Amino acid sequence: NAGVTQTPKFQVLKTGQSMTLQCAQDMNHNSMYWYRQDPGMGLRLIYYSASEGTTDKGEVPNGYNVSRLNKREFSLRLESAAPSQTSVYFCASRALDRNEKLFFGSGTQLSVL
Amino acid sequence: AQSVTQPDIHITVSEGASLELRCNYSYGATPYLFWYVQSPGQGLQLLLKYFSGDTLVQGIKGFEAEFKRSQSSFNLRKPSVHWSDAAEYFCAVGPGGGNKLTFGTGTQLKVEL
Repeated sequence: NAGVTQTPKFQVLKTGQSMTLQCAQDMNHNSMYWYRQDPGMGLRLIYYSASEGTTDKGEVPNGYNVSRLNKREFSLRLESAAPSQTSVYFCASRALDRNEKLFFGSGTQLSVL
Repeated sequence: AQSVTQPDIHITVSEGASLELRCNYSYGATPYLFWYVQSPGQGLQLLLKYFSGDTLVQGIKGFEAEFKRSQSSFNLRKPSVHWSDAAEYFCAVGPGGGNKLTFGTGTQLKVEL
């Protein structure tokens, strides 16, 4: 079972460069999420998509855009990367049931120089 | 606003010893509470959750947690720690529906052999 797959696993960018982080899930989940993890700050929600065709801002959306391409895929784009966006990024998904369980990918470690 | 506090950044225990990780939350109504575990280089995995009912909940890997409304706490416990339990543990609180989870800053557990 692949679960939630994120690509790439590692990326180094220069300030001002753009890139897209890819996320795909094969569990037929309706909701998908992008979090960033920084030392001493836990996980913070960037954007989420409650269902195909919808996206909403989370706690720290500035500097990011997202696209829910279809039910499986949810991408995160950095248009002009900044050093403050150096972080580990996690994608997660959840089924629309009472289980409330988030399934996480293994993360993308991004460094912006 | 909802919030989660994990007072212990690092905890070291000996293998076979008991474990308690603290979690205090702030939430205006009955919360949905979660504990997730993150092994090095991996995404988060759900250990257990509390929505309602019995305040002592059992999870995977022999973990349990007790919801204490009067203390606004949801502490994680394990009677006998194994070396493989070394990881980072995150407490989370939310309103249900999965879209507004707030994570704590995490507790790093080290297990001495």
